[in-house]
Order: sequence, then structure tokens, then C-alpha cells
Amino acid sequence: GENVEQHPSTLSVQEGDSAVIKCTYSDSASNYFPWYKQELGKGPQLIIDIRSNVGEKKDQRIAVTLNKTAKHFSLHITETQPEDSAVYFCAAYNNNDMRFGAGTRLTVKP
Amino acid sequence: DAGVIQSPRHEVTEMGQEVTLRCKPISGHNSLFWYRQTMMRGLELLIYFNNNVPIDDSGMPEDRFSAKMPNASFSTLKIQPSEPRDSAVYFCASSWGTGGPYEQYFGPGTRLTVT
Repeated sequence: GENVEQHPSTLSVQEGDSAVIKCTYSDSASNYFPWYKQELGKGPQLIIDIRSNVGEKKDQRIAVTLNKTAKHFSLHITETQPEDSAVYFCAAYNNNDMRFGAGTRLTVKP
Repeated sequence: DAGVIQSPRHEVTEMGQEVTLRCKPISGHNSLFWYRQTMMRGLELLIYFNNNVPIDDSGMPEDRFSAKMPNASFSTLKIQPSEPRDSAVYFCASSWGTGGPYEQYFGPGTRLTVT
């Protein structure tokens, strides 16, 4: 089955800096890669996603890149703000099965 | 528009008791997912319904766990009998579409503590 690895597990940045979180997956048949933000006491919230026929997608300060050959995808957050502090999860989807990475705890220091 | 609704938000029960978690998906969505989140194992898919029919329950840990979806607006996850190792946050998510994959929207979760 699919195996998703996520790095780093924790990330601390200064407000205004960029943050990058990376994930790798094992099943080349995976075709959908969402990113979720989870704040304390809440459910994961979808923030951006990318499908396997696209290499990059951007939405304001967040962007995701996908390298199908290398089987890795990344989340980029620019101009970080304190409210970006949360746990971020990547996921890979194949045939009704969504596998999540272990999560990255992002802290943005004001 | 209301998101995915879960109840209760918190449940504390004693080992051996039956626990029922409830979920109301987003209106119009035709797929529903139950996940479990723990520090040790992260987010795990337990079971997935499409058009009220269970499609994949391979993630259900054991026979003590069962899930139903009697109609498009309601699902339950039952644990009987509960054990301390079942303590976790249980999330319900829903999505719309057929042939997948489609965006999944998560509820706020039910924090279950089994003592």
C-alpha cells in the first residue's frame, strides 16, 4: 500500500519568512495530493491540493509543487504570519484510499 | 452553509461500554469517511461509504468496530466493547463526486477517552 513520509516534523520560522514542507510517496498510481492545516482542537482543513497531471499550483501565499518522477511534493508558504501556526498534513490518494503524512508542526514567531 | 457535524465532541467512557459516534455530512455530498487520529499512528482511514454503501472497511481495526450509514445525511461509528487503546480523536469527512478523487471536508472530531 501507499506510504507517505513528511519532513520536517517541526518547523519554526520568523514572521515574514517562507516555510517549506516536503512529502514523498511510494505508490506511483497515487493521483491526488491534498494539504491540510489542523489547528488545536479542530479538524483538518483543506488548504490546497494538486492532481497528478499538474506540476504546480498556487493560491495567494501558498503553493504546491509535484514531481511525479521523483514521487515527491512540497508545500510552500510565503510571507508567513503568526496565524499560519498549526500542524500541516500532506496526503496521497489512490483508489479511494487516502494516506496521510505524520504532520509538520509549524510555528511562526512574531 | 453548515460543514460536517459530529457529536458528541467529547466522550469519556469506561472500558467495556458501548460507544456511538455520530456524523452528519455536508448536504449533497455522496461520500463519507471515518478517520481516527492518534499521536502514535497519525490519521488513519477506518471506513469509506459511497452513496450510503460501505466501499472499503479494511481500515477498521477489529470486529469491535462497526459503521453504518442508513441515509445520505447520517452515519454512526460504534465501538462495542470499548477498550483504553481506542482512545483517540475520531473524524468524519465528506466529499462529493464519483470516480474520485475529490476534496474531503472534515468535521471537528470526537475526542474519545476510554478509562
